[in-house]
Amino acid sequence: DADVTQTPRNRITKTGKRIMLECSQTKGHDRMYWYRQDPGLGLRLIYYSFDVKDINKGEISDGYSVSRQAQAKFSLSLESAIPNQTALYFCATSEPGQGLDTQYFGPGTRLTVL
Amino acid sequence: GDSVTQMEGPVTLSEEACLTINCTYTATGYPSLFWYVQYPGEGLQLLLKATKADDKGSNKGFEATYRKETTSFHLEKGSVQVSDSAVYFCALSDAGSNYKLTFGKGTLLTVNP
Repeated sequence: DADVTQTPRNRITKTGKRIMLECSQTKGHDRMYWYRQDPGLGLRLIYYSFDVKDINKGEISDGYSVSRQAQAKFSLSLESAIPNQTALYFCATSEPGQGLDTQYFGPGTRLTVL
Repeated sequence: GDSVTQMEGPVTLSEEACLTINCTYTATGYPSLFWYVQYPGEGLQLLLKATKADDKGSNKGFEATYRKETTSFHLEKGSVQVSDSAVYFCALSDAGSNYKLTFGKGTLLTVNP
């Protein structure tokens, strides 16, 4: 089984709808991240969480919110989706320590907002 | 702030050709440097990393050397295979950014048989 899973893998929705993307991990890592990937722009950090009680905005948090329900779960919400939020979304985890900065990625969620 | 600039693609090579993907960085501290690879339809996975100057990271025939004097971390492979077709991302992290990753924009590599 994959260490980092994301659901759904694909989603098509309409402008104005509320959407939640979910991420679960079995690696036991404290740190979790949400990124979006757009062609030609690489990956940009939306939100990150260093533990259950610690949530931080990334470089492009406007229009998004997150919830860290447990160490293993980190959800990303789009309260009112808009077409320019169409992108590939990735969740990632990492663990403090010697391998502090190695991140482990989920398979991604492809979101289309019509 | 931190930034990573990598060679724009796409890059198209024939099997067994040599590969170099250039990557340079700007950071205030002493970053760790990474190459991540994204195969079609998958998430990113770590390819190799280096944590201090002159370190060489290597994996699957790929190599990159941390060059502090030129602030570079170029990815190289002597003989590419069709299975190396993927998007390659250079990235850095340092204490100043609380070890968050800063990515380059990615380089698409296509290897033809």
